[in-house]
Amino acid sequence: DGGITQSPKYLFRKEGQNVTLSCEQNLNHDAMYWYRQDPGQGLRLIYYSQIVNDFQKGDIAEGYSVSREKKESFPLTVTSAQKNPTAFYLCASTPQEAAGQPQHFGDGTRLSIL
Amino acid sequence: QKEVEQDPGPLSVPEGAIVSLNCTYSNSAFQYFMWYRQYSRKGPELLMYTYSSGNKEDGRFTAQVDKSSKYISLFIRDSQPSDSATYLCAMSAGKLIFGSGTRLLVRP
Repeated sequence: DGGITQSPKYLFRKEGQNVTLSCEQNLNHDAMYWYRQDPGQGLRLIYYSQIVNDFQKGDIAEGYSVSREKKESFPLTVTSAQKNPTAFYLCASTPQEAAGQPQHFGDGTRLSIL
Repeated sequence: QKEVEQDPGPLSVPEGAIVSLNCTYSNSAFQYFMWYRQYSRKGPELLMYTYSSGNKEDGRFTAQVDKSSKYISLFIRDSQPSDSATYLCAMSAGKLIFGSGTRLLVRP
């Protein structure tokens, strides 16, 4: 079955620690996205990538970093500079980065501070 | 003011009721309109997709877009307990913008 796999499902971060969230897709999609979801705030775009080896900042990129070395993988690192990392993180993809493309989502990673 | 406004609910209805979920928006350039359903601790899944104005029906679900009023709706007929979830509207003129979601509870 084609889809997006996010791991781990739950993650705990200690103060000063960087953590990496995994996102893998087998849909052969070019574009991939990372969102943060907080209660009552909807989805906010962190980073997106239109093609391999290219990515752009979204609305709330500070304290996060990404890489896109392979088409199917788009890992997100939450750095120690992100002071409020507790949230539900969602990865999504579309065939191309174009207006009107509905996004396919993974089942998320819930990150909490220890 | 947010670009997309959505009542957070929760909205509680008895099984079999007709449910109406709504979003308003401010950007008249939006052309693509979507509804996603999100179960607890899961990712959103696409429920309905509409381009420009008009209605679209799929089984028990009907999506309506009124561009003149900048208002979109999702109707669920014969609601079931399995419809209990958070419903997110989303719209795009380029970047996809999401509403904050309405929590729906259908009571058996």
